[in-house]
This record gives sequence, structure tokens and C-alpha cells, in this order.
Amino acid sequence: AQTIHQWPVAEIKAVGSPLSLGCTIKGKSSPNLYWYWQATGGTLQQLFYSITVGQVESVVQLNLSASRPKDDQFILSTEKLLLSHSGFYLCAWSLRLGAEQYFGPGTRLTVL
Amino acid sequence: DAKTTQPDSMESTEGETVHLPCSHATISGNEYIYWYRQVPLQGPEYVTHGLQQNTTNSMAFLAIASDRKSSTLILPHVSLRDAAVYHCILERNNNNAPRFGAGTKLSVKP
Repeated sequence: AQTIHQWPVAEIKAVGSPLSLGCTIKGKSSPNLYWYWQATGGTLQQLFYSITVGQVESVVQLNLSASRPKDDQFILSTEKLLLSHSGFYLCAWSLRLGAEQYFGPGTRLTVL
Repeated sequence: DAKTTQPDSMESTEGETVHLPCSHATISGNEYIYWYRQVPLQGPEYVTHGLQQNTTNSMAFLAIASDRKSSTLILPHVSLRDAAVYHCILERNNNNAPRFGAGTKLSVKP
């Protein structure tokens, strides 16, 4: 069975500080991977997607970047956090683009 | 991608069968209808999807109108655990950006 793990579970960071969020998929080779962001009370927005190692496509510009260093790993990062980065970050995977997506437990980020 | 329209909220009671409507009047022939649900502080959960034929699984029954301009997610015998925001989304094969809207918030009373 496939499992998706995100870390950390929650984070409180200062404005201007760096950020790194991680996501790991186990039990599925070569998945498509996705990062989503949801502001408190807001709708889910896709930020990035990746169909293979080393390739990441940006969907929404939020002064964030993403990388896929391994087949089963997806990283979301920024060098300088903004207040507007606060929210819920979700990683997801699918077998192919357009197929159903399976989401991780999420990381709650608070920027102060 | 075509847009979907859903009611903001619906209420039900445990044990009832719930019908969640979704309107997609401008759906394209190659767009699938996907349903997800999300509870607070958790990621969305895939429920079901279909193209033209009605579909059923352990979670729900998806009824698709013959002209595909609307669909209804049917939840039999709802429990408190079915309380969530239900999203109806249209997706094309090999297309990436599913658009989650506000969805329908389903409340379930004991």
C-alpha cells in the first residue's frame, strides 16, 4: 500500500526566515507529485507539480520554490517567508496527470 | 476547464441518504467528473469519478445526467464521519491543474 508522509506536522516561523517542507511517497514508483496551499478558510490552490525526478512545473507564483531530488521525495522551500505564506500545505500524488490524487496529512505553517 | 456550481451547504441526519448536486453546464466531452471530500485540518480524500456512466464504490454512488451537464453524488446512510466539504471538480486526462472551489459543506446531525 502507498503511504505519503509530510514533515514537519506544524511549524511556527518568523517573517524573513527560510522554510523547507518535505513530502515522501512510499510504495509507488515514479508517481506524479503535487504541492498545494490552503489559506485558513480559503480554497485549495495547486502550487507545483512534478512528473519525474528533477523536473518541477510552477502553477502559482507565491515566492516559493519546489524540487524533486529523488523519485519519492518532493521539497517545498523559500529563503524568506512572508506573512502571506501562513496556511496549510499539502502534498499529493497520482499515477498520471488528470487522475485521482491522494493527499498527505499536511503541514500547518504559521508565519509571525 | 469548465466550471462547476455546488450549493454552499447542506444538512442531513445520521442514517439518511444524501444527494449532493453539482452543475457543470459547459463540460467538455473529454472532462471527467471527480469528487473529493475534505474535513478541517486534513487533506482532501478522493471519493469517486466518472465520465458518462453512473459509478459506484464503497463510499458513494455517482449519478451523471445523460447530457453530462449535471451530476449527483449520493451518500447512502450517512454517519457523523461523512460530515465534510464535498468538492465536484472537472479534469481532463493528462491535464494538471484541478481547480478546487468552495464545495458543499455537508453537516450531519446525530
